[in-house]
Amino acid sequence: AQSVSQHNHHVILSEAASLELGCNYSYGGTVNLFWYVQYPGQHLQLLLKYFSGDPLVKGIKGFEAEFIKSKFSFNLRKPSVQWSDTAEYFCAVNAETSYDKVIFGPGTSLSVIP
Amino acid sequence: GAVVSQHPSRVICKSGTSVKIECRSLDFQATTMFWYRQFPKQSLMLMATSNEGSKATYEQGVEKDKFLINHASLTLSTLTVTSAHPEDSSFYICSASSSGVNNEQFFGPGTRLTVL
Repeated sequence: AQSVSQHNHHVILSEAASLELGCNYSYGGTVNLFWYVQYPGQHLQLLLKYFSGDPLVKGIKGFEAEFIKSKFSFNLRKPSVQWSDTAEYFCAVNAETSYDKVIFGPGTSLSVIP
Repeated sequence: GAVVSQHPSRVICKSGTSVKIECRSLDFQATTMFWYRQFPKQSLMLMATSNEGSKATYEQGVEKDKFLINHASLTLSTLTVTSAHPEDSSFYICSASSSGVNNEQFFGPGTRLTVL
């Protein structure tokens, strides 16, 4: 069965600091990978996704993620965070053999201090 | 991106009653819709997957008789929580996927259910 783990439960950063959120998944086959963000009081939004091709994926709001197949990882990065990036971040995986079923990681809460 | 709506956004009901939550894809046809449950400060737990015109596929541990899912059209799926109890209080989120967009799911805003 697929599973997704995220390295940090809660991350606190100062504005302008660099961000890296870890995500690992367990599945041996071909996967699609996603990062979603949930701002306080709002619904989930897609930050970026990887289906195939360049393993370095650029998303909205200056976020990027790198798929490293050998490490089963899909870490999210941003060079300089802003207070408005305070949110819950979820990594998610879809195994191509399970059609549209997407499994979410436990989430990482990011707090950015002005 | 595509828009998914949920109704109601918030509902409070008495224990023992049933509550229906609607999920609609507003500008695309959703061949597949998903229902998730999110507890406070936790991740989304997939409850069931529904394809238009067929029975929903429930995840292990989810009672199909308690959480009735209907996906009668390509733009509407409903989740009915039957005989609700306080432990059913949660945030219920639906998402919709069209087979033409490479498995991307579009999420609704969620429904906060409180059972007294």
